[in-house]
Amino acid sequence: KNEVEQSPQNLTAQEGEFITINCSYSVGISALHWLQQHPGGGIVSLFMLSSGKKKHGRLIATINIQEKHSSLHITASHPRDSAVYICALALISSGSARQLTFGSGTQLTVLP
Amino acid sequence: KAGVTQTPRYLIKTRGQQVTLSCSPISGHRSVSWYQQTPGQGLQFLFEYFSETQRNKGNFPGRFSGRQFSNSRSEMNVSTLELGDSALYLCASSLRVRGSDIQYFGAGTRLSVL
Repeated sequence: KNEVEQSPQNLTAQEGEFITINCSYSVGISALHWLQQHPGGGIVSLFMLSSGKKKHGRLIATINIQEKHSSLHITASHPRDSAVYICALALISSGSARQLTFGSGTQLTVLP
Repeated sequence: KAGVTQTPRYLIKTRGQQVTLSCSPISGHRSVSWYQQTPGQGLQFLFEYFSETQRNKGNFPGRFSGRQFSNSRSEMNVSTLELGDSALYLCASSLRVRGSDIQYFGAGTRLSVL
């Protein structure tokens, strides 16, 4: 069983829709990261969470430590949000907050 | 402030050759992590360096090695290249601020092994 599972794998939305991407994990973590990867490969760190909720512009990330679950929400989606969104874990067992274990990613396409 | 710089951006090698990739972290960042991304395996951790010391290594064969210099720049080396080593290699630098590490990724080096 994978330590981290993301859903859905693929998501197509119309511009303006509210989008939710989910990440479930089965191990102890010190932090959970949400990353965005555009075509060409560049990765941008969106959020790092160890508890609660964070908001940046139209993006909201939440984490429930007890349920081992995190969600990334995009409000009023726009075609420029089209990218792969990746959930990454800093496992307690690794002993390092900088060794990340990655989900398989969610390919988001937002149509105009 | 300049971001994380990886060179070269693209590389083509043949089986059996060796390759060295370079990563210059953001100024002031002392930690560098390396990752491999392939269509089949996704993103996987290779190794992490902090203050010229390897702190962690992922589940990769000994053909994969790295080092970090006193200016925090890092290199990774892959010897005896195999077709399966074709991948996007990403490095990330991080700075611990108030107990948190946010990683800043470079654009990656895309390696093709023929």
